[in-house]
Amino acid sequence: GQNIDQPTEMTATEGAIVQINCTYQTSGFNGLFWYQQHAGEAPTFLSYNVLDGLEEKGRFSSFLSRSKGYSYLLLKELQMKDSASYLCAVSDQTGANNLFFGTGTRLTVIP
Amino acid sequence: DTEVTQTPKHLVMGMTNKKSLKCEQHMGHRAMYWYKQKAKKPPELMFVYSYEKLSINESVPSRFSPECPNSSLLNLHLHALQPEDSALYLCASSQDIAGAGEQYFGPGTRLTVT
Repeated sequence: GQNIDQPTEMTATEGAIVQINCTYQTSGFNGLFWYQQHAGEAPTFLSYNVLDGLEEKGRFSSFLSRSKGYSYLLLKELQMKDSASYLCAVSDQTGANNLFFGTGTRLTVIP
Repeated sequence: DTEVTQTPKHLVMGMTNKKSLKCEQHMGHRAMYWYKQKAKKPPELMFVYSYEKLSINESVPSRFSPECPNSSLLNLHLHALQPEDSALYLCASSQDIAGAGEQYFGPGTRLTVT
């Protein structure tokens, strides 16, 4: 089975840095994804980690530790438009590129 | 073209109606997916098609019937739905199902069953 945990809600200030954590337990592992989803819209891809370490892409970075079953998404220089849900999803090797999503972290950026 | 399109954007249907949701992609992807997402919940996988063949059916009731007419199109036929089936239905595609690959999501169809 799969178990993916994220904080439900977070609040951060415009211009600040925020880290969203994700822990997972899966029967197989073929990579971890982070998606951003604004209310009423489709999820959009942010990052993909399959090896341990940090992947940086502009203001967004994602880290993975496979031995700890742990990932985080780091958002720098927060902007108001970053207010959204951030979904951690694990690709299960036992399935066919199945994505199992965590419940998502609703981030609110305040002035 | 890195876009997945879905029609209609909104759909309201009665419990006795028959309707279809449509999804299209022209990225040459050979895997296509249907997800259901209830409010404030994550997407839940319903079906996976690989090379136009149904690969996975996650114990979805038979009132949902998927169809993949060709490699670019994916339909979801709806019949005799229940009010609890009201949700956002998301279509996604990826290069294939072998190995992990980024899934591209469409904008979704917001379905209301009355």
